[in-house]
Amino acid sequence: AQKITQTQPGMFVQEKEAVTLDCTYDTSDPSYGLFWYKQPSSGEMIFLIYQGSYDQQNATEGRYSLNFQKARKSANLVISASQLGDSAMYFCAMREGHQGGKLIFGQGTELSVKP
Amino acid sequence: NAGVMQNPRHLVRRRGQEARLRCSPMKGHSHVYWYRQLPEEGLKFMVYLQKENIIDESGMPKERFSAEFPKEGPSILRIQQVVRGDSAAYFCASSPPYSGGLTDTQYFGPGTRLTVL
Repeated sequence: AQKITQTQPGMFVQEKEAVTLDCTYDTSDPSYGLFWYKQPSSGEMIFLIYQGSYDQQNATEGRYSLNFQKARKSANLVISASQLGDSAMYFCAMREGHQGGKLIFGQGTELSVKP
Repeated sequence: NAGVMQNPRHLVRRRGQEARLRCSPMKGHSHVYWYRQLPEEGLKFMVYLQKENIIDESGMPKERFSAEFPKEGPSILRIQQVVRGDSAAYFCASSPPYSGGLTDTQYFGPGTRLTVL
């Protein structure tokens, strides 16, 4: 069974607009962490944002925010004011358990920002 | 403040040769993870190590693959007798010692692109 599902293989957004990248997860562990990473065409994996299962508020980091809906098991990434440099693959990942341990990645969403 | 270092960045091997991939974690980080990314796919966990210990190797193929993280020096992922199906990007990530909270972000290196001819 898929633990992390990203249903959008590709997305387009106009420069300066906001975009939401979907991520749903499946776990029975009450303690877990959710992560988003960006992979530009150069190939490196860049950490964007983290949400813990017990966090009361949605995480935010600059133009990135995480729309965490625990009951629906979703952790969507919102990018505000898109820039051309945001064009990349975006991966959602989950770590089960309290701390440490492997990340389980989704298949990714390729975001293209149009000028 | 150097990030996670991996070398080589690109590695070409012929079938049957050995591949050695190196990873130096960020300063102060004692946990190392290896992931593999096949073309057009997400990352798949391979192994999780702390100094001189393998904590979780549930994602490692049973044969030909091994990993170590010695007391001194980088972590090494070793692939013996490589086959074409081993061609992939191999990423190393590191995280700091546990601090009591839930945050244990893994920071990734630039990856090693292995091509098997």
